Amino acid sequence: EAQVTQNPRYLITVTGKKLTVTCSQNMNHEYMSWYRQDPGLGLRQIYYSMNVEVTDKGDVPEGYKVSRKEKRNFPLILESPSPNQTSLYFCASRTGQINTGELFFGEGSRLTVL
Amino acid sequence: GDSVTQMEGPVTLSEEAFLTINCTYTATGYPSLFWYVQYPGEGLQLLLKATKADDKGSNKGFEATYRKETTSFHLEKGSVQVSDSAVYFCALREPNNDMRFGAGTRLTVKP
Repeated sequence: EAQVTQNPRYLITVTGKKLTVTCSQNMNHEYMSWYRQDPGLGLRQIYYSMNVEVTDKGDVPEGYKVSRKEKRNFPLILESPSPNQTSLYFCASRTGQINTGELFFGEGSRLTVL
Repeated sequence: GDSVTQMEGPVTLSEEAFLTINCTYTATGYPSLFWYVQYPGEGLQLLLKATKADDKGSNKGFEATYRKETTSFHLEKGSVQVSDSAVYFCALREPNNDMRFGAGTRLTVKP
């Protein structure tokens, strides 16, 4: 089954404790992206990757890091989480072909930073 | 830059009522337009799309028409069901192929 898998789905942590949210896709997609969803703001892009070893900032990259060492994986790293990073996070992927629109989303990871 | 504006929710309807969720966009050129749906506890999934002016996207009884003259892509359904309760996102694809999402509209359908 084609899917994007995120872990963990739920996490409560404390300020400053490094954490990683993993994302894996089994569709051989070149493009992967991280979004955060906040009430009234919709989805805002954090980082994206056009292919292996290629990453770029989205609209709200501050406080986050990513890496793309393998095609299927795109982890999101919070080196020193702060309460304003409490949010619902989504990983998404699609093919790298131009003008192909559909993004495939994971089920989301709800993060609370105390 | 490009942007998407959706009507604010939440929207509450009775079963079999008519649904309209407004969406307008600002963009250079003519982007492809999308509606995504997010059911409770799930990720977003594509509901329908339109790639050029006057195209109509449709799926599961939902429809939206790409109106270039009004820069709009309103979502409609003639008769909603309880199972349509979800958050609906309008989105456009930017020239660099990234997606720009609206704020989302929460729909609740009551029996």
